[in-house]
Amino acid sequence: AQSVAQPEDQVNVAEGNPLTVKCTYSVSGNPYLFWYVQYPNRGLQFLLKYITGDNLVKGSYGFEAEFNKSQTSFHLKKPSALVSDSALYFCAVRDLSRDDKIIFGKGTRLHILP
Amino acid sequence: DAGITQSPRHKVTETGTPVTLRCHQTENHRYMYWYRQDPGHGLRLIHYSYGVKDTDKGEVSDGYSVSRSKTEDFLLTLESATSSQTSVYFCAISDPLGTLNEQFFGPGTRLTVL
Repeated sequence: AQSVAQPEDQVNVAEGNPLTVKCTYSVSGNPYLFWYVQYPNRGLQFLLKYITGDNLVKGSYGFEAEFNKSQTSFHLKKPSALVSDSALYFCAVRDLSRDDKIIFGKGTRLHILP
Repeated sequence: DAGITQSPRHKVTETGTPVTLRCHQTENHRYMYWYRQDPGHGLRLIHYSYGVKDTDKGEVSDGYSVSRSKTEDFLLTLESATSSQTSVYFCAISDPLGTLNEQFFGPGTRLTVL
């Protein structure tokens, strides 16, 4: 069965430092991978996606993610964190070899410390 | 929030009463989804629709029903609300090409069942 795991419930990073939010996935076919961000009392907002092609994907607000097929990972990164990046981040996977619904991870809360 | 509205935004009800949540979109997207968000569980798919009158179950569909009589509206009904259905409910849509693309989320409905 397809699944996605976010091993860290919370990540704390000092402002200005690089940040990484981890995601690993398990699918039987080709993965379609997504990152979403949720600010307090808001719905999820799309950040970026990997469908095919370059393993480094660039998205909104300076975020990027690296697809690693051998490690089945899709970690979210940013070179220099801002306090405004503090939010809840969700990784998601869609496996088109199955029923092509999206499966979301449980989320990682990112705290950027001033 | 990408032309998606949800109503009501907040609702408090009592166990055993019927509740209907409405999702309305102005994007003419074919696919619509209902999720619930609970701490420690991330987002879980309740039901989804791939066209007018075409719906299917998600992973947590027990106790919920849906209807879609028009492209722009997707209704979620709790026939007899229970306390375990206290949650934040999100509607999402995806574009006419549907399965390969990201979802756009509404602002959410916070439902409390007493």
